Amino acid sequence: DAGVIQSPRHEVTEMGQEVTLRCKPISGHDYLFWYRQTMMRGLELLIYFNNNVPIDDSGMPEDRFSAKMPNASFSTLKIQPSEPRDSAVYFCASSATGTLAKNIQYFGAGTRLSVL
Amino acid sequence: AQSVTQLDSQVPVFEEAPVELRCNYSSSVSVYLFWYVQYPNQGLQLLLKYLSGSTLVKGINGFEAEFNKSQTSFHLRKPSVHISDTAEYFCAVTGRDSGYALNFGKGTSLLVTP
Repeated sequence: DAGVIQSPRHEVTEMGQEVTLRCKPISGHDYLFWYRQTMMRGLELLIYFNNNVPIDDSGMPEDRFSAKMPNASFSTLKIQPSEPRDSAVYFCASSATGTLAKNIQYFGAGTRLSVL
Repeated sequence: AQSVTQLDSQVPVFEEAPVELRCNYSSSVSVYLFWYVQYPNQGLQLLLKYLSGSTLVKGINGFEAEFNKSQTSFHLRKPSVHISDTAEYFCAVTGRDSGYALNFGKGTSLLVTP
């Protein structure tokens, strides 16, 4: 398996623009997690899905952020409008129910977002 | 909810020396504990995990950790480090009431020098 695939790897945009980050989880995994990593706050869970349904979005910073999972093999995290403070590395991770009690999450390589 | 505290933000160490990266957790329920490693410009990779059973857990790359319930700690150790171990190390915890989501510590930057 190719692992969790995120795109793009790097994104540079201007303040006010819409940004869409993409994630393809490992085939067969039914949990998907979005994290944000910054120097100040470390790794934060933004939202996670189970069987394409959002379970906990309490970590989403504000209404400018939205996430969808239209099917088992694809998820997006959208920021509209983007602001400089959104600059961070965004990680996607997936996990399978069989391993969930062991909570072994597999991470993608991340998307480094810079908002100018 | 669970949380972890990584007591050291940076740990410099010489090659072939032993190292210990400290992690303490807080929780009112049974927990699962993890150590992840992040190499520069890469995602996180699982080093080892404690789920139950033996409190001494062995992971990849020669790392091990010991779960100490009385001290609520899960320190990571390696008897002899290599230059290639230079990376960011994250301790993480999850439990039944966290919805299986991981709560990460702030990370410890391990810098191994010759």
